[in-house]
Amino acid sequence: GAVVSQHPSWVICKSGTSVKIECRSLDFQATTMFWYRQFPKQSLMLMATSNEGSKATYEQGVEKDKFLINHASLTLSTLTVTSAHPEDSSFYICSVDLGTAGGEQFFGPGTRLTVL
Amino acid sequence: GENVEQHPSTLSVQEGDSAVIKCTYSDSASNYFPWYKQELGKRPQLIIDIRSNVGEKKDQRIAVTLNKTAKHFSLHITETQPEDSAVYFCAATLGYNFNKFYFGSGTKLNVKP
Repeated sequence: GAVVSQHPSWVICKSGTSVKIECRSLDFQATTMFWYRQFPKQSLMLMATSNEGSKATYEQGVEKDKFLINHASLTLSTLTVTSAHPEDSSFYICSVDLGTAGGEQFFGPGTRLTVL
Repeated sequence: GENVEQHPSTLSVQEGDSAVIKCTYSDSASNYFPWYKQELGKRPQLIIDIRSNVGEKKDQRIAVTLNKTAKHFSLHITETQPEDSAVYFCAATLGYNFNKFYFGSGTKLNVKP
């Protein structure tokens, strides 16, 4: 498996500011990570695929200029929510893909973002 | 893309009874179907999974069945316990990208003691 951490676990910010969330794969070199968003009492919605050393690929409807993803190393992917607004308040979860052809993803503990 | 539908949205059972949650998917090329359990505010945890070349898989009180022709798969929990209470999500991979997961809407399971 893979041990995945996220930082911070929760963050409160003012509207218009940017927030960076880190996702770390502690024991596995991950070429691919995924970012999900989960609104209260809703499902996990895939936002983007983070690819080490290349640009992230975004799901339809997700603004790439608002949700900046950087995957500069095999153990770290970051998601920056730029100019955050109250509607961006959500639970953001990353996952690590072990690279098998269709296999388990290991999830981070999530980051609760609240935008005032 | 993949469309995964999950039913029911809530399920309440008496301790010791069985619980069944059903999902359908749209992409016939999907080949991997995991089930995750998520407790409030926590990360999803894999409880069981099945690949498209298998029709059924069992792990103690938990089983998953897959009908590729009908494009549906189900989670079965027997002898439910209060600690089984949580939200359960099914997922399916996108056919041409085996590692992208699309989740169902979730089922809140409440096991009454």
